[in-house]
Amino acid sequence: AQTVTQSQPEMSVQEAETVTLSCTYDTSENNYYLFWYKQPPSRQMILVIRQEAYKQQNATENRFSVNFQKAAKSFSLKISDSQLGDTAMYFCAFMANNNDMRFGAGTRLTVKP
Amino acid sequence: DGGITQSPKYLFRKEGQNVTLSCEQNLNHDAMYWYRQDPGQGLRLIYYSQIVNDFQKGDIAEGYSVSREKKESFPLTVTSAQKNPTAFYLCASRVSGYNTGELFFGEGSRLTVL
Repeated sequence: AQTVTQSQPEMSVQEAETVTLSCTYDTSENNYYLFWYKQPPSRQMILVIRQEAYKQQNATENRFSVNFQKAAKSFSLKISDSQLGDTAMYFCAFMANNNDMRFGAGTRLTVKP
Repeated sequence: DGGITQSPKYLFRKEGQNVTLSCEQNLNHDAMYWYRQDPGQGLRLIYYSQIVNDFQKGDIAEGYSVSREKKESFPLTVTSAQKNPTAFYLCASRVSGYNTGELFFGEGSRLTVL
């Protein structure tokens, strides 16, 4: 079974600074997708970024980028120029071709003014 | 607007009672999911369904039941057999098959057992 591990329960960053959230996963699959979801205080889950395992290029969405290391089974999220609105829970997620999506325990990020 | 609607948003239940959480989507998605969220444990998969009249157990299916009689609807029943049902429940859907995989989520239902 696939597992997703987020080893940082809580993190904080100063506004305008850069922060990196860590995620590792375990799988025997070769083809899969990885995701980062954001859950603000409203509790609405919002997709931040996705990465296809067959793509070597790291995904980027504006201030959000990932560092995907397939051999190491690592998928970290970098948030640049942090904003107060980035304060949220961040979940790393994995999905292979069996179509069930597995989530990590989450990292609570606080952006300080 | 297309989306996923969960109801009720808040629900209180007495011990020993069954309760059903509703999840409806108008995104024409084939696959639907139920997750449970507890503090410090992230999202845990309860059940998922990839097609009408078919569903699979997730990691924590005990004490829960589902049905998928219509493509748009995937209700979750929390039975009295669930030992610790107080939690936040999230429903999600996606286009079936191996594609970009993005899940779209509802706003959640908060169940409290009194």
